[in-house]
This record gives sequence, C-alpha cells and structure tokens, in this order.
Amino acid sequence: DVKVTQSSRYLVKRTGEKVFLECVQDMDHENMFWYRQDPGLGLRLIYFSYDVKMKEKGDIPEGYSVSREKKERFSLILESASTNQTSMYLCASSAVEVVTEAFFGQGTRLTVV
Amino acid sequence: GQQVMQIPQYQHVQEGEDFTTYCNSSTTLSNIQWYKQRPGGHPVFLIQLVKSGEVKKQKRLTFQFGEAKKNSSLHITATQTTDVGTYFCAGRTNTGNQFYFGTGTSLTVIP
Repeated sequence: DVKVTQSSRYLVKRTGEKVFLECVQDMDHENMFWYRQDPGLGLRLIYFSYDVKMKEKGDIPEGYSVSREKKERFSLILESASTNQTSMYLCASSAVEVVTEAFFGQGTRLTVV
Repeated sequence: GQQVMQIPQYQHVQEGEDFTTYCNSSTTLSNIQWYKQRPGGHPVFLIQLVKSGEVKKQKRLTFQFGEAKKNSSLHITATQTTDVGTYFCAGRTNTGNQFYFGTGTSLTVIP
C-alpha cells in the first residue's frame, strides 16, 4: 500500500521559532508538494519539487522554504513562525507522468502561538 | 496564471437528494481529477478524466469532462451520509508538474 507520511499530526510552536515539517514517501515518486489548507481557500500550493535538490515556488511561498536532499523526503521550513501560518499543512507526491494522481499524507495541524 | 474555480463552496442537502459540484479552468487541461476529503482526513483520489466529453460513473457518482476540456462536474445521485466531505477537482496540463486544485465543495448531508 502506497504511503506518504508526515512527521507530526499536531504541532504547537511559538512565534519566531524555526519549524520543520517532514514528509516521506515510499513510492519512488519524482514529484513532491507542500500545500496549506485553510477554510474557504482550498488547497494552496506552497512549494513543489520535481527532483532531488530541485524546487519551484508555488502560489504562496513567502515565509517558507523547502529542502529535498533525498528523493523520498521533502521538508517544509518555516524560518520564523508567525500566527498567520497557523494552518493545516498537507504533503503530497506523484509520479512524473501527467496522468497519475497525487497521494497525500495525513496532514499536520500547526498552531503558532 | 492557471486558475481552477469550483462552485458551490458549501452545499447542504437532505439525505436522498442529489448533489452537483462544478469546476471551471481558465485554460485547457490535459486531464482533470477528483478527490474526496472526509472530515478530519486528507484528500483521496477518486477518478481521472482525460478525453474531451468523457463521462465516468462510480456507483452513484457521475463525473463529466467538458468538450473543451476546461470544465468538469461531479454529480451524486441520492446522497447518503457517507458522502459527507469536501470534494476537490484538480486540473493538470502538459506543460508542468503541478496539480491545479479547485477551492473545493463541502457537502453536508442531513439525515
């Protein structure tokens, strides 16, 4: 069974802290994505990566960075967490072919206080 | 840039009523996918449509892809409480790796 695993289900951090959200997939997928989900706004793409060490900005990259040192792992970094980054964060992966679907992790509910 | 709009944002129906959500893209798509997210869960792939005018069925769910490959719909016949959740469409193009997600339609089914 295919799997995308996010390191934490719930996280509470203080304003100004550096926060790491980790995502691992076991499907040898080339593409990996980070989304945030807020009520009424759907899934907004933060960053995605189509290969190791490659990354591209999505729609809302400000305040975030990413790292992909290994194919199976894609990390989202909040350099200095702020309260407006309180959200649900979803990681996803997919194969490179355009006719393949995205597989999502279970999500990380991040609260910044 | 590429945009996918989805309506309605919310829908409340009595159990047994039908439900439809609509998806519109600003540009022509290579394919469109539909996902369902149960409350407290993560989006799970339902189906993919590739051909212009394609119609696919999964039991009580009917999915359509428009002739111009810019719009799509999901219709649920005789809703059940198990249909509760948020339904997302996601368009893909041949020019990139991204999934262009709609804003989602949250379905509530009243028993």
